Amino acid sequence: AQTVTQSQPEMSVQEAETVTLSCTYDTSESDYYLFWYKQPPSRQMILVIRQEAYKQQNATENRFSVNFQKAAKSFSLKISDSQLGDAAMYFCAYRSRRTGNQFYFGTGTSLTVIP
Amino acid sequence: NAGVTQTPKFQVLKTGQSMTLQCAQDMNHEYMSWYRQDPGMGLRLIHYSVGAGITDQGEVPNGYNVSRSTTEDFPLRLLSAAPSQTSVYFCASSETGLGGYTFGSGTRLTVV
Repeated sequence: AQTVTQSQPEMSVQEAETVTLSCTYDTSESDYYLFWYKQPPSRQMILVIRQEAYKQQNATENRFSVNFQKAAKSFSLKISDSQLGDAAMYFCAYRSRRTGNQFYFGTGTSLTVIP
Repeated sequence: NAGVTQTPKFQVLKTGQSMTLQCAQDMNHEYMSWYRQDPGMGLRLIHYSVGAGITDQGEVPNGYNVSRSTTEDFPLRLLSAAPSQTSVYFCASSETGLGGYTFGSGTRLTVV
């Protein structure tokens, strides 16, 4: 089974600064999807950004961007110009394109934004 | 524009009781799944379905049953609640086996 590792249980960032959350994964497959989800205190899981493994270009969504290193099996999330509303738990997730029936989630990184 | 609707949002059960967590989606998604979220463990798959009439077990299926009689509904049944089932439960759906999930708002279940 695939595994997803988030080695930073907690991170903090000053408002307006940039922070990078780390994620590594283990797979023998070559075609898959990677995701970052945000879970604020409301508990709702919100899709932040996704990356398709066959695309070399890193995905970007407004202030959120990823650094996808396929050979290193690394998928980090960069948040620029951090805002108070970015404070949340962030989960990295993997989905196989071949099977597609399961997401594998990391254990999450709790992000605090300091005013 | 309801998306994925889960009920109830909160529930307290006594050990040994049974109950059903409801999940419905109005997006005509084929894939539906149930996850549980425990502190320090991320989200773990309980059961999933790739279409009406088709279900399968995930990583932590023991103590839970599912059925998928319609595309819209995917209820999760706890047969005999145990304190180890205290958790937050999420239902999620996706149009196909590709792309991201849409999640429900979760159910916080406490078994005493």
